[in-house]
Amino acid sequence: DAGVIQSPRHEVTEMGQEVTLRCKLISGHNSLFWYRQTMMRGLELLIYFNNNVPIDDSGMPEDRFSAKMPNASFSTLKIQPSEPRDSAVYFCASSLNARAHGYTFGSGTRLTVV
Amino acid sequence: GENVGLHLPTLSVQEGDNSIINCAYSNSASDYFIWYKQESGKGPQFIIDIRSNMDKRQGQRVTVLLNKTVKHLSLQIAATQPGDSAVYFCAEGSGGYQKVTFGTGTKLQVIP
Repeated sequence: DAGVIQSPRHEVTEMGQEVTLRCKLISGHNSLFWYRQTMMRGLELLIYFNNNVPIDDSGMPEDRFSAKMPNASFSTLKIQPSEPRDSAVYFCASSLNARAHGYTFGSGTRLTVV
Repeated sequence: GENVGLHLPTLSVQEGDNSIINCAYSNSASDYFIWYKQESGKGPQFIIDIRSNMDKRQGQRVTVLLNKTVKHLSLQIAATQPGDSAVYFCAEGSGGYQKVTFGTGTKLQVIP
């Protein structure tokens, strides 16, 4: 199994541009989590899905952020328009049963907004 | 990752010694706890978990201890190796949802 796959690994964009981060879940997993990691705030949960349905999006910073799961194995996190304060490492993680096994994280996307 | 920095508590341990990393959690309702290891440039990696009906669980070279009375969790690593150098996060979860909250992390430095 290739694990959770995120793309791109690095993204540098100008303020105001749209950014789309992508995540492919591990086959068979039914939960998907988007996290953001910064030095100041650590790991913050942005949103999570269970069986393709968004369960909790209370961590999404503002309306500029949106996430989708068009199918059971793929998710996108979009920022439009992007701002310098969005610069962070964005992780997605998938799980079959987080309570028993914990999450499997991808390698992250390092986003820099200039 | 973005977790390395002056704000993280750091534990320095001699290679071969045992390491103990501590974590205080805040939610009395938490009933599931996980330890993760994050190496530079990588995502967090699951190490070991424990449910609130247990106070100790052992894995390969690692032991997690849970003290619900004082809301304290610890990770013990036996015979610490250079490959153990990383940032370690505790995470807590509760309720029926598959959602956990991460702590701020501790950086472990293994001195060869």
